[in-house]
Amino acid sequence: DIQMTQSPSSLSASVGDRVTITCRASQSINTYLNWYQQKPGKAPNLLIYAASTLQSGVPSRFSGSGSGTHFSLTISSLQPEDFATYYCQESYNIPRTFGPGTKVEVK
Amino acid sequence: QVQLVQSGAEVKKPGASVKVSCKASGYTFTTYDINWVRQAAGQGLEWMGWMNPNSGNTGYAQKFQGRISMTRNSSISTAYMELSSLKFDDTAIYYCTADSGDYVGNWFDPWGQGTLVTVSS
Repeated sequence: DIQMTQSPSSLSASVGDRVTITCRASQSINTYLNWYQQKPGKAPNLLIYAASTLQSGVPSRFSGSGSGTHFSLTISSLQPEDFATYYCQESYNIPRTFGPGTKVEVK
Repeated sequence: QVQLVQSGAEVKKPGASVKVSCKASGYTFTTYDINWVRQAAGQGLEWMGWMNPNSGNTGYAQKFQGRISMTRNSSISTAYMELSSLKFDDTAIYYCTADSGDYVGNWFDPWGQGTLVTVSS
């Protein structure tokens, strides 16, 4: 199975900050990498698929990059509604492994 | 709109089974594989398995092999996940989600609202 790691596990930031979360795969997954946002008490919500494609309706302040084993999610200017937990997920293989998550908290 | 609606919360005793339903609407049910993902309180997302609603083919995470079953009733666009021999640490929110995608990959969208399964004596 492919192992996914994320860093940091949590971060504190202020509104307007630029935030970057990294995700690593234990083997090359090309660009088969998705990002989800989850708010407390809610189901996860797809933000980015295929490493860098923004899902319809997702604000353009979110962007994704990377290929192979190294990926990143960037929020260019953090908004109040962006405080949440973010998960990466590989879709290269079965099982569809998720990263452990990164919690973005208010500084 | 495309959506998945799950059945309500369940409370089960250890050793019992639970069956959670997931009704699809807004798209042709057989188009996308249905996956199940669970999340224990304060924990991350754990992939459990997938089912092709057209063929009924399934694939399960090794952790759940032998005590999980995913089925469907295509006439009512509903998928089911049954987990047996429940243990206390099966207490979690269980989500169904559609495995969408194309030639660039696969992704989970949409998601059901989640079903809380509590295992308690």
